[in-house]
Amino acid sequence: DAKTTQPTSMDCAEGRAANLPCNHSTISGNEYVYWYRQIHSQGPQYIIHGLKNNETNEMASLIITEDRKSSTLILPHATLRDTAVYYCIVTGTGNTGKLIFGQGTTLQVKP
Amino acid sequence: EAGVTQSPTHLIKTRGQQATLRCSPISGHTSVYWYQQALGLGLQFLLWYDEGEERNRGNFPPRFSGRQFPNYSSELNVNALELEDSALYLCASSLRPADTQYFGPGTRLTVL
Repeated sequence: DAKTTQPTSMDCAEGRAANLPCNHSTISGNEYVYWYRQIHSQGPQYIIHGLKNNETNEMASLIITEDRKSSTLILPHATLRDTAVYYCIVTGTGNTGKLIFGQGTTLQVKP
Repeated sequence: EAGVTQSPTHLIKTRGQQATLRCSPISGHTSVYWYQQALGLGLQFLLWYDEGEERNRGNFPPRFSGRQFPNYSSELNVNALELEDSALYLCASSLRPADTQYFGPGTRLTVL
């Protein structure tokens, strides 16, 4: 079972910031939070990951709460091409190699 | 830098046949992972190879098998194909175990 909980779907207006929440209340101290997205029938695309500090790259920002029980992925200026399923994944313990994908959040960016 | 590549893009087989799917990792990556995404279902972990050895296996029957070659490329073999094996098969690679996984475009397998 996935260790994360995400809303099933969200809408965002083009050009506005998209804020995608994720709850991971059972996260362990050495587990990372990863975000991927999957555009229809393509391979998942890595977006960003973090341990406890906020992270930013050219695609997005990741805000992790101080207690690490939740996080938010921020797409600062959403475009129509950002329409996708976004997956929040917690991983790192046991070195199993396995990413557990939940249902993710379907983000629909509207013009 | 080239990403993860997979071949073929599409594969059509009939029940009972065998399918072979191929994956080339990003240059320098030693770990290769396989996932299955059946229609309407989530991604399910299949196999993990590192340095030529199978390191972990998901909850799939033994007719799903694979191997990793000395150049770190990998093959996924599915024997005795069943209709429910129809899915998108995704390969990912990472620089080292537990590092970020980067996915390929997938192979769409259709079993008739």
